[in-house]
Amino acid sequence: GQNIDQPTEMTATEGAIVQINCTYQTSGFNGLFWYQQHAGEAPTFLSYNVLDGLEEKGRFSSFLSRSKGYSYLLLKELQMKDSASYLCAAMDSNYQLIWGAGTKLIIKP
Amino acid sequence: GAVVSQHPSRVICKSGTSVKIECRSLDFQATTMFWYRQFPKQSLMLMATSNEGSKATYEQGVEKDKFLINHASLTLSTLTVTSAHPEDSSFYICSAKTQTSGEVDEQYFGPGTRLTVT
Repeated sequence: GQNIDQPTEMTATEGAIVQINCTYQTSGFNGLFWYQQHAGEAPTFLSYNVLDGLEEKGRFSSFLSRSKGYSYLLLKELQMKDSASYLCAAMDSNYQLIWGAGTKLIIKP
Repeated sequence: GAVVSQHPSRVICKSGTSVKIECRSLDFQATTMFWYRQFPKQSLMLMATSNEGSKATYEQGVEKDKFLINHASLTLSTLTVTSAHPEDSSFYICSAKTQTSGEVDEQYFGPGTRLTVT
């Protein structure tokens, strides 16, 4: 079956770096998405990886290893506003997104 | 970036009534729209995929007669929750994407609709 695994919750300190891991198993693969979702709001797009390697976008970077079925989202210079849930989603061969349950990131001062 | 709107943002209805939620792509044509449901502290659950001018494809376990989806134009899809019950109370989110041959488009999410059935 298709499955996405990511930690339920993580805690980090303001100004630090945190890495949120995601492993996936899908029928075919057409890319890996990361979304940020603040409580009570809809998700917002952060990144998309389809090739192996690291994509850097400001304070956020996303990494993909297709052979390992693994991705991570790296957040640098953490700010209090980064407290949110981070959703990992893999796109299968039918171009359908398979969603992880989300990682709740708590930032402490 | 592309903007998707939803209306209403919040709705409270009585058990047994029907509620319609609209999803509009404001500055692009959405050939495909998705409807998700999200319960508290849970991830998004895809309910159905709709393509303009054709019947929606529902996910397993989603009752098509209860959750009516209409994708009448390239900028509008509607979800009607019929005979709503308290267990239908949830956050309903739509997303839209364009059709680009050979490429993968990100989904653009609407702000969501909080439905409370009393």
